[in-house]
Amino acid sequence: DIQMTQSPSSVSASVGDRVTITCRASQDISSWLAWYQQKPGKAPNLLIYAASSLQSGVPSRFSGSGSGTDFTLTISSLQPEDFATYYCQQANSFPLTFGQGTRLEIK
Amino acid sequence: QVQLQESGPGLVKPSGTLSLTCAVSGGSISSNNWWSWVRQPPGKGLEWIGEIYHSGSTNYNPSLKSRVTISLDKSKNQFSLKLSSVTAADTAVYYCARDFRDSSSKTDAFDIWGQGTMVTVSS
Repeated sequence: DIQMTQSPSSVSASVGDRVTITCRASQDISSWLAWYQQKPGKAPNLLIYAASSLQSGVPSRFSGSGSGTDFTLTISSLQPEDFATYYCQQANSFPLTFGQGTRLEIK
Repeated sequence: QVQLQESGPGLVKPSGTLSLTCAVSGGSISSNNWWSWVRQPPGKGLEWIGEIYHSGSTNYNPSLKSRVTISLDKSKNQFSLKLSSVTAADTAVYYCARDFRDSSSKTDAFDIWGQGTMVTVSS
């Protein structure tokens, strides 16, 4: 299985801050990577697919980059509704696997 | 727009079989998409269980493969999950999701999710 490791596991930030979350794959996954946002009691919501493509309806302050084994999700200017948990997910090979999550908290 | 809705018992006895159904509305289960099950134990991360295509082809997580069956009913526009020999470790929120896949653009992501249903394994 491909292991996905996110860092940090949690981060505190303020409204207006720029935040970057990193996801590392245990082997080359090309651009087969997606990012999700999950709020408490809700299903995950797709933000980014193919490593850097913004899902329809997702604000442009969210962006993704990377290929191979190292990927980043950046939120350019945090808004109150962005405080949530973020997951990366690889789709290069089965089984599809997720990172352990990064909890973004209000400072 | 396409919506997914999970249904099934919220409580299953140990060693029993967990059975859930995902109803697809606003679109056809025979569209060019895979349909997946993902679970999330309380306070933990996401685990992919498996998927099915309208042809009946399936892919399963090897960690669960011996206990999982995913099937579909085109006449009812729904797909189902059966997980046998359950233990407390199978207690989780179970989500169904549409997996949008396009090899040419290296796209493979869960773009539509159900609201999730909590299943507790307990006697």
